[in-house]
Amino acid sequence: GQQVMQIPQYQHVQEGEDFTTYCNSSTTLSNIQWYKQRPGGHPVFLIQLVKSGEVKKQKRLTFQFGEAKKNSSLHITATQTTDVGTYFCAEYRNQFYFGTGTSLTVIP
Amino acid sequence: DAGVTQSPTHLIKTRGQHVTLRCSPISGHKSVSWYQQVLGQGPQFIFQYYEKEERGRGNFPDRFSARQFPNYSSELNVNALLLGDSALYLCASSLYPGTGNNEQFFGPGTRLTVL
Repeated sequence: GQQVMQIPQYQHVQEGEDFTTYCNSSTTLSNIQWYKQRPGGHPVFLIQLVKSGEVKKQKRLTFQFGEAKKNSSLHITATQTTDVGTYFCAEYRNQFYFGTGTSLTVIP
Repeated sequence: DAGVTQSPTHLIKTRGQHVTLRCSPISGHKSVSWYQQVLGQGPQFIFQYYEKEERGRGNFPDRFSARQFPNYSSELNVNALLLGDSALYLCASSLYPGTGNNEQFFGPGTRLTVL
């Protein structure tokens, strides 16, 4: 079953507002990957985080790995309608365990 | 370069039937993984194959089986279909397995409906 918890499950934002989704684990994560899945589409790899406290940026997206490697976050600045979709984190522990995902709706 | 391809795109079966889903990885990728994604949930790992050998198996019954061919393409077979098998079946390819330190490329999926 799922070993990573992801919150919130749903998020509705006005276009231009910021958005954050969190991935939490009760055990230390070896690494974390983030994926985006558009409605009706398939997961697309965004980033991988490996080091404690690591921060990576991709344009308006900022990814963080907690100091204790038990949590991770994805923050989107000034959301756009193209950001709509479900964002998943995935932990590798002999196999990939995906979080439950956060579904983002952006209201124009 | 073509991405990961899957066939068929959609499939409708009845309970008790058998289904075969197919996946072709990205050229050069030797590892293929299969996932089941039920509506509203994250993908659940079913199998991983590398160099034609099973490298991992998720918590799925023996009705689920898979294999990888010499050209690295893969098939997922599901026997004695149940209503609960209705889902999107995703195939993902990567250069190599064994660690989380490699990007997975997902195919478009096969939408299976069991009536």
